[in-house]
Amino acid sequence: KAGVTQTPRYLIKTRGQQVTLSCSPISGHRSVSWYQQTPGQGLQFLFEYFSETQRNKGNFPGRFSGRQFSNSRSEMNVSTLELGDSALYLCASSLASPDTQYFGPGTRLTVL
Amino acid sequence: AQRVTQPEKLLSVFKGAPVELKCNYSYSGSPELFWYVQYSRQRLQLLLRHISRESIKGFTADLNKGETSFHLKKPFAQEEDSAMYYCALRGSTLGRLYFGRGTQLTVWP
Repeated sequence: KAGVTQTPRYLIKTRGQQVTLSCSPISGHRSVSWYQQTPGQGLQFLFEYFSETQRNKGNFPGRFSGRQFSNSRSEMNVSTLELGDSALYLCASSLASPDTQYFGPGTRLTVL
Repeated sequence: AQRVTQPEKLLSVFKGAPVELKCNYSYSGSPELFWYVQYSRQRLQLLLRHISRESIKGFTADLNKGETSFHLKKPFAQEEDSAMYYCALRGSTLGRLYFGRGTQLTVWP
């Protein structure tokens, strides 16, 4: 089976812009979670979706949002980008929720 | 509050030496514990989960509920074990993972 894929792999934006990141889960997986990874804060949970419903949300401002489609693919959006949003954004999928999570390669976002 | 602590940011051992990566947690309930590993330029991948009680690549981890620890051990380290190791905790009903800050293991030849 193909693993979790994320697009794009690298992204450069400027402050104030918005960005959309995409995640395609492993075939058959219905749950998608998003994490932000930074050197200062480590791996932090953003949100989790299961069957198109947000099940859980981490402690991030409302500028961070997400959604899941009927085919389980997920997108996350960050509006009004700030320099501190520069990070590696990881997507993980699992068959169900809760269940073992398998991670994608990440999208490296740089905000200038 | 849920918390995962990995006290060692860096750990170095020589090839063939035993290695132990420490992980302590706090959680009011019955958590599931995991070890994830990230090799250089590769994605984060699952190494072990405590409920499986299995040995992967020679690594084992035992959940000690009394000491709230889930240390990762290998009797004879190999150079290819050099990587970043993350301990993670998941509560019983939601999929959210709480990660420790990670331990960078270097195995010298």
